[in-house]
Amino acid sequence: AQSVAQPEDQVNVAEGNPLTVKCTYSVSGNPYLFWYVQYPNRGLQFLLKYITGDNLVKGSYGFEAEFNKSQTSFHLKKPSALVSDSALYFCAVRDTLMNTGFQKLVFGTGTRLLVSP
Amino acid sequence: ETGVTQTPRHLVMGMTNKKSLKCEQHLGHNAMYWYKQSAKKPLELMFVYNFKEQTENNSVPSRFSPECPNSSHLFLHLHTLQPEDSALYLCASSQVTARRGSYNEQFFGPGTRLTVL
Repeated sequence: AQSVAQPEDQVNVAEGNPLTVKCTYSVSGNPYLFWYVQYPNRGLQFLLKYITGDNLVKGSYGFEAEFNKSQTSFHLKKPSALVSDSALYFCAVRDTLMNTGFQKLVFGTGTRLLVSP
Repeated sequence: ETGVTQTPRHLVMGMTNKKSLKCEQHLGHNAMYWYKQSAKKPLELMFVYNFKEQTENNSVPSRFSPECPNSSHLFLHLHTLQPEDSALYLCASSQVTARRGSYNEQFFGPGTRLTVL
């Protein structure tokens, strides 16, 4: 089964500094990777995805993620953090159900990002 | 945010009550999902409806009963729940472009915060 790991429960960064939220994956075959963000009392919002192509994927709100096959990583980055970026971030990977072939997302445990003024 | 709506947003119920959660998607998608989000745990996929057919039931206890009357509506019927069922229940939808699934992103509702006393 496909899986992702988010090694940090929380990341703290000062406003204006670059931020990185880490994600590593374990898949058989080509990975299809996603990042979602969850603001307080809200559902998850899609940020970006990697399917094929350029290793650097650009997404919403100025976020980008770098796919690194040799390190099996898909870290989320932003050059300059905002206080409003404070939220819970989830990495996810597509998986395929053996019995039906239907595809679903498998999520990591989430990383809380706190951006201080 | 208005693409997928969930009602109620908050629900407190006793262990002997029967209640239902409702989800509606206005995106024209053909697949809908129920997830359970508990603190410190990855999102747990509970049920998937693809083309209105249930294709996944991740060993969810029978006290949770899904219903998908059409591609826009999804219900989760609850009865004789346990306190450990207290969590945020998220509904999501996506567009599946082939019978065997696709890798299109999922769109989430804001969730129902359920507390079982």
